Amino acid sequence: QVQLVQSGAEVKKPGASVKVSCKASGYTFTTHYIHWVRQAPGQGLEWMGVINPSSGSTDYAQKFQDRVTVTRDKSTSTVYMELSSLRSDDTAVYYCARVVTGSSWHDYWGQGTLVTVSS
Amino acid sequence: DIQLTQSPSSLSTSVGDRVTITCRASQSISTYLNWYQQIPGTAPKLLIYATSYLQSGVPSRFSGSGSGTDFTLTISSLQPEDFATYYCQQSFTTPLYTFGQGTKLEMK
Repeated sequence: QVQLVQSGAEVKKPGASVKVSCKASGYTFTTHYIHWVRQAPGQGLEWMGVINPSSGSTDYAQKFQDRVTVTRDKSTSTVYMELSSLRSDDTAVYYCARVVTGSSWHDYWGQGTLVTVSS
Repeated sequence: DIQLTQSPSSLSTSVGDRVTITCRASQSISTYLNWYQQIPGTAPKLLIYATSYLQSGVPSRFSGSGSGTDFTLTISSLQPEDFATYYCQQSFTTPLYTFGQGTKLEMK
């Protein structure tokens, strides 16, 4: 069965970086896209970016363009999302989610990773 | 950027009620509109894709309609497990997506 398993919670200081992982299983990793979505406490969903695991090509929301990097490791079927220059308002749950090639909706989601930014 | 506006932001409702949530796009998105349900503390769950197609395993009391800029999610008879927050999402500008601000269903 398809699974996206994310790394554990992180606590970071302002100005630091965080790297969250998303390990895919149950399907051919390079066949489908992985997106990142975040949710601040009590707030809605915010789309951040996407990677094509086959080519490694990425697209990011303009808001995060200069601070986010999404990469992948095909050998371990893992996607990484790194966010730099962290601020307190980056405190959120970060989700990875799959989009099947040829479709345009998130059919499977990771369990979420809480990133807390606090001095 | 395409903006999505959901209404209402919250709704007090009861088991058995018919519930309609609307999502309006700032420009035409054809039928590139998806709906998700989120229960507190869990990841969102896909309910409906491409405006009106029910995701496998989703109960038939959920339905979606619309095109262009105006879309609706309808729950024909609300069940206790449906009290959650619902989000619309546009994928017209794929691979760049945006979400609506959410609609929270609360028990009356």
